[in-house]
Amino acid sequence: IAGITQAPTSQILAAGRRMTLRCTQDMRHNAMYWYRQDLGLGLRLIHYSNTAGTTGKGEVPDGYSVSRANTDDFPLTLASAVPSQTSVYFCASSDSFGLTSTDTQYFGPGTRLTVL
Amino acid sequence: GENVEQHPSTLSVQEGDSAVIKCTYSDSASNYFPWYKQELGKRPQLIIDIRSNVGEKKDQRIAVTLNKTAKHFSLHITETQPEDSAVYFCAATPLDGTSYGKLTFGQGTILTVHP
Repeated sequence: IAGITQAPTSQILAAGRRMTLRCTQDMRHNAMYWYRQDLGLGLRLIHYSNTAGTTGKGEVPDGYSVSRANTDDFPLTLASAVPSQTSVYFCASSDSFGLTSTDTQYFGPGTRLTVL
Repeated sequence: GENVEQHPSTLSVQEGDSAVIKCTYSDSASNYFPWYKQELGKRPQLIIDIRSNVGEKKDQRIAVTLNKTAKHFSLHITETQPEDSAVYFCAATPLDGTSYGKLTFGQGTILTVHP
């Protein structure tokens, strides 16, 4: 079992380019999340999805979009990257339904993105 | 929305000493408070969490206390070891039908344990 994976591990991107960060989990968790981590600011929620087919905005959604076509995948797209989107991006998932839910969020290994 | 403040931003202790990290939150509806440990270059990992129906929770050398009236919660690490050195994050969220999982994180505390 891989848990939660992200790709790419790192990427250098020219400003204005489109970029999709991939996130896949094999734990059958209903909920998935995207965070960005910047020095001194902790982790900030970008978008989330409570279940396949639904998404919602987090604290810093501008410039990002997500989709949740199935349970396992939750890609994050930067339509036109800007230097302020340089950050480390973490995907996470949790089991937040039912009697056995724990609400614990499990994080992926992260993607380091640099926008020049 | 929720706002979480975490202090101190850095903490340096000698091996064997105790370490305490404190967080305050603003949303009285928050009822789930996890703590994450992040080693350099690694992903955040849950170390302990507490829900608002309890005031304290312990797991070996780690404990978390919650004061809902004052809206603050704290992480206590006893008998610190060099491998406890990492960045620690607190977080808060209301676990209800619309907000569950939308964690608001504190800014992090860099803990250094000197041998």
